[in-house]
Amino acid sequence: QVQLVQSGAEVREPGASVRLSCKTSGYRFISYYIHWVRQAPRQGLEWVGIINPSGAGTTYAQKFQGRVTMSRDTSTRTVYMELRSLRSEDTAVYYCARAEYFSDTHLDYWGQGTLVSVSS
Amino acid sequence: QSVLTQPPSVSAAPGQKVTISCSGDSDNIGNNYVAWYQQVPGTSPKLLIYDNNQRPSGIPDRFSGSKSGTSATLGITGLQTGDEADYYCGTWDTSLSAQVFGTGTKVTVL
Repeated sequence: QVQLVQSGAEVREPGASVRLSCKTSGYRFISYYIHWVRQAPRQGLEWVGIINPSGAGTTYAQKFQGRVTMSRDTSTRTVYMELRSLRSEDTAVYYCARAEYFSDTHLDYWGQGTLVSVSS
Repeated sequence: QSVLTQPPSVSAAPGQKVTISCSGDSDNIGNNYVAWYQQVPGTSPKLLIYDNNQRPSGIPDRFSGSKSGTSATLGITGLQTGDEADYYCGTWDTSLSAQVFGTGTKVTVL
């Protein structure tokens, strides 16, 4: 069965960086894009960006450009997201989710989420 | 700030029907497929509807989706207490080159 298993909760101080992982299984890794979506406490869903595990191409939401980097390791079927220069507003649950296409698509499987807390 | 607009909340008694609207424009809903996600508090979002009106395997036919122009609608019939959750629409925005989500709607079963 398709599974996306994310790394555990993280606590960081403002200005620090965090690297989250999303380990996939149950499907052909390079055939599906991985999106990252975040949700601040009591807020809605916010798209962070997308990575193509096949060629490692990425597209980031304009809001995060310059602060985020997505990467992948095909040998371990794992996707990573690094967010730098953290501020309190980055406190959120970060989800990875799978999609078959780059655009005009839907996210059919989601990870369990990783809570990132940013506080001094 | 979300590109897609949804009502903050809807409610109905068990067994009744609710509809949730999602309003966008020609850059997103007007020219791309719409999906709907259900999120029970404390859990990950779950795909309910894709390609405007298709249900993934395992989703009951009490859930339906439609699209007209730059708006989409999710319908839930035979409302059950287990349907209490937040619901989000989502689509691709061609102008932003980004996935966009609705503001979210909380469904309450009275």
